[in-house]
Amino acid sequence: QVQLVQSGAEVKKPGASVKVSCKASGNTFSSYAIHWVRQAPGQRLEWMGWINAGNGNTKYSQKFQGRVTITRDTSASTAYLELSSLRSDDTAVYYCAAMIAVVEAFDMWGQGTMATVSS
Amino acid sequence: QSALTQPASVSGSPGQSITISCTGTSNDVGSYNLVSWYQQHPGKAPKLMIYEVSKRPSGVSNRFSGSKSGNTASLTISGLQAEDEADYYCCSYAGSNTFVFGTGTKVTVL
Repeated sequence: QVQLVQSGAEVKKPGASVKVSCKASGNTFSSYAIHWVRQAPGQRLEWMGWINAGNGNTKYSQKFQGRVTITRDTSASTAYLELSSLRSDDTAVYYCAAMIAVVEAFDMWGQGTMATVSS
Repeated sequence: QSALTQPASVSGSPGQSITISCTGTSNDVGSYNLVSWYQQHPGKAPKLMIYEVSKRPSGVSNRFSGSKSGNTASLTISGLQAEDEADYYCCSYAGSNTFVFGTGTKVTVL
């Protein structure tokens, strides 16, 4: 059973960067597509981008282009989301999600990481 | 990309059926049979309920069903139960390896 375990809560100042990790259990990490989705307090889910854990190719939502970087470390079975130039409206829970047994849908989710941006 | 449009809230009594709509465009919902639905209870991560418009993952109740017509997808919950009270989000593939979520619908069991 694949599990995604995310890093802990973060508090950052405006203008700083935050980096969230997502570690996958099991030994087939390179076959996964790892996506990142965020949810501001009381707001909807918002797709941010994804990485092909095998070849490292990425795709980002136009909204976050230029501020977001998704990377992975195959030796650690871990994907990372880095968001820069943080603003108060970036305060949100950040989820990693993967497509494990289904096509183009997210059937495995991490527990979420709360990132708070405050001066 | 703009978010897919869902009703803010839908309610029903136990045992009834409810339907949640998800309206997109010809660039997303209308072009691909790759609509998925997620259930989210407060403080929890989303859970996949439907994928590829109408397929159910293993373990999801057959009370949940999905369909699509044109640019609008729908999720129907039959035999509504108290445990179905949650937020529901649709999501569609939008081409060029991108995805878009819906605005979300709060389901209330009366």
